[in-house]
Amino acid sequence: AQSVTQPDIHITVSEGASLELRCNYSYGATPYLFWYVQSPGQGLQLLLKYFSGDTLVQGIKGFEAEFKRSQSSFNLRKPSVHWSDAAEYFCAVGTNNAGNMLTFGGGTRLMVKP
Amino acid sequence: DADVTQTPRNRITKTGKRIMLECSQTKGHDRMYWYRQDPGLGLRLIYYSFDVKDINKGEISDGYSVSRQAQAKFSLSLESAIPNQTALYFCATSTSVTETQYFGPGTRLLVL
Repeated sequence: AQSVTQPDIHITVSEGASLELRCNYSYGATPYLFWYVQSPGQGLQLLLKYFSGDTLVQGIKGFEAEFKRSQSSFNLRKPSVHWSDAAEYFCAVGTNNAGNMLTFGGGTRLMVKP
Repeated sequence: DADVTQTPRNRITKTGKRIMLECSQTKGHDRMYWYRQDPGLGLRLIYYSFDVKDINKGEISDGYSVSRQAQAKFSLSLESAIPNQTALYFCATSTSVTETQYFGPGTRLLVL
């Protein structure tokens, strides 16, 4: 079965600073990888996804993520954080096995200092 | 109007009570999912349905049941609520595993 680890439960960055949120997955084949964002009191919104091809994927709100097979990682990055980016971020892995389920990591809560 | 709606948005109930959470979608998707979110654990899949006649258990289905009344409606029931079912519950829809899952706003449930 697949699994997802987000090592950082909380991260605080200053507005304008760069951001990297870590995600490691465990799965035997090439997974489908997703990053979702959850703003306070809201549901989850997709930031970006990777299925195949170029390992650097661009998403909404200026986010990007890079798939590194050798490290089983799919880290999310943003060059300059805005106060509105404060939220909880979830990495998820999906497979083409029976069930086609998404498995989510535990989430990383991002706080942005003015 | 929102594509995925959930009712109620908040609910307080007592141990042993039966409760139903409802989800409706206007996206025309065949696949629907119920997750629960607990702090530090992310989202865990309770049940999922690929169409009206295809319902499957997820990772944590014990204590829950579901009903797919139509393509657009997927309900989650707690037959006899217990305090450790206190959580935030999300419904989601998609067309396939490679496509985006669209989430509802969530139902916050407190079981006393």
